[in-house]
Amino acid sequence: AQSVTQLGSHVSVSEGALVLLRCNYSSSVPPYLFWYVQYPNQGLQLLLKYTSAATLVKGINGFEAEFKKSETSFHLTKPSAHMSDAAEYFCAVSVQGRRALTFGSGTRLQVQP
Amino acid sequence: NAGVTQTPKFQVLKTGQSMTLQCAQDMNHEYMSWYRQDPGMGLRLIHYSVGAGITDQGEVPNGYNVSRSTTEDFPLRLLSAAPSQTSVYFCASSYEGSRANYGYTFGSGTRLTVV
Repeated sequence: AQSVTQLGSHVSVSEGALVLLRCNYSSSVPPYLFWYVQYPNQGLQLLLKYTSAATLVKGINGFEAEFKKSETSFHLTKPSAHMSDAAEYFCAVSVQGRRALTFGSGTRLQVQP
Repeated sequence: NAGVTQTPKFQVLKTGQSMTLQCAQDMNHEYMSWYRQDPGMGLRLIHYSVGAGITDQGEVPNGYNVSRSTTEDFPLRLLSAAPSQTSVYFCASSYEGSRANYGYTFGSGTRLTVV
């Protein structure tokens, strides 16, 4: 069975600072990996996904994530935080043949002016 | 193209009442799933379906029933609502496709309060 661990339920950064949200996964087979963002009282929006051999994945709003098989990680980064990035971020994993996602517990990102 | 449509968006139930959360998709996706979102716990899988007539339990299935009579619809039934079922519910659909195109489409959610 697959699982996801997001380190840090709350992360606070200053506007313009680097954003790093951590995600580690557990899977016995090659995974599909996803990052979603949720703004207050809204649904889930896909930021980016890893589904192929390209280990560095670029997403929307300037976010990117790198798949590191040796570290079983898929950390989300953004070089410069904006106030509009304040939201909750979820990492999720799925595998071939299992048509549903397993989510991490989420990381709430605060951006300080 | 409406994607995944969930109704209602908000619902308040009394303990013991029953109701059905509706989920419909118009993308001819084979796979559909239901999740509940609770603070600090992320989204947890309730039930999922890999096609019409086929359903299976997820991580937290107790208190919920599902059926899949058509490709388009995947309703979630609460037979006797309990306060512990107060949550935000999301429905999602996906398809086999190629590995590069693999992905999920989520509905906008149903916020359920059981009093």
